[in-house]
Amino acid sequence: EVQLVESGGGLVQPGGSLRLSCAASGFTFSSFWMSWVRQAPGKGLEWVADIKQDGSERYYGDSVKGRFTISRDNAKNSVYLQMNTLRAEDTAVYYCAREGTRDNDYWGQGTLVTVSS
Amino acid sequence: DIQMTQSPSSLSASVGDRVTITCRASQSIKNYLNWYQQKPGKAPKLLISAASSFQSGVPSRFSGSGSGTDFTLTISSLQPEDFATYYCQQGYTTPFTFGQGTKLEIK
Repeated sequence: EVQLVESGGGLVQPGGSLRLSCAASGFTFSSFWMSWVRQAPGKGLEWVADIKQDGSERYYGDSVKGRFTISRDNAKNSVYLQMNTLRAEDTAVYYCAREGTRDNDYWGQGTLVTVSS
Repeated sequence: DIQMTQSPSSLSASVGDRVTITCRASQSIKNYLNWYQQKPGKAPKLLISAASSFQSGVPSRFSGSGSGTDFTLTISSLQPEDFATYYCQQGYTTPFTFGQGTKLEIK
């Protein structure tokens, strides 16, 4: 059974940093692109970033480019999202998701990030 | 970035109704269009990928069609468990943008 479990969310002040983790199981992690998608309270879904199987390619949404970094550790079956220079508008539930064929076929339960003073 | 526009933004319908949600891309995305269902407090669930391909376990009352810029999601006979928010997403090029969502409510 595919499982994705996010962690690392919490309350952080504007301008601060946070690192999210996603632990994967139930599939061959190193064979799949992985994504982060977020959802602000009461709002729609926003694609944040993705990373290739070997980490050699990474892509970002415009709103996080230059501030967020996606990475992965295939030995630990984990993907990460380093978030720097956080803003109030980054407040959201952050989902880790596996990429199938240009889709997100499995999702974690999400972790809430709140940026507030 | 490719913009995805869904309509309507919200929809009231009754059990047994046939409903259609549309999604339009700002440029051609071939058939790289996905549909997700999200219920309150839950993660999204992939229903349909590549415009018309069902995911395992998705009821046959759901269907998708379209190519290029215009796509539709149809639910042939609404069931109580179908009341949720639906999102389209383009998988043609990064960023893989989503539509703004369509909230399907019980009439």
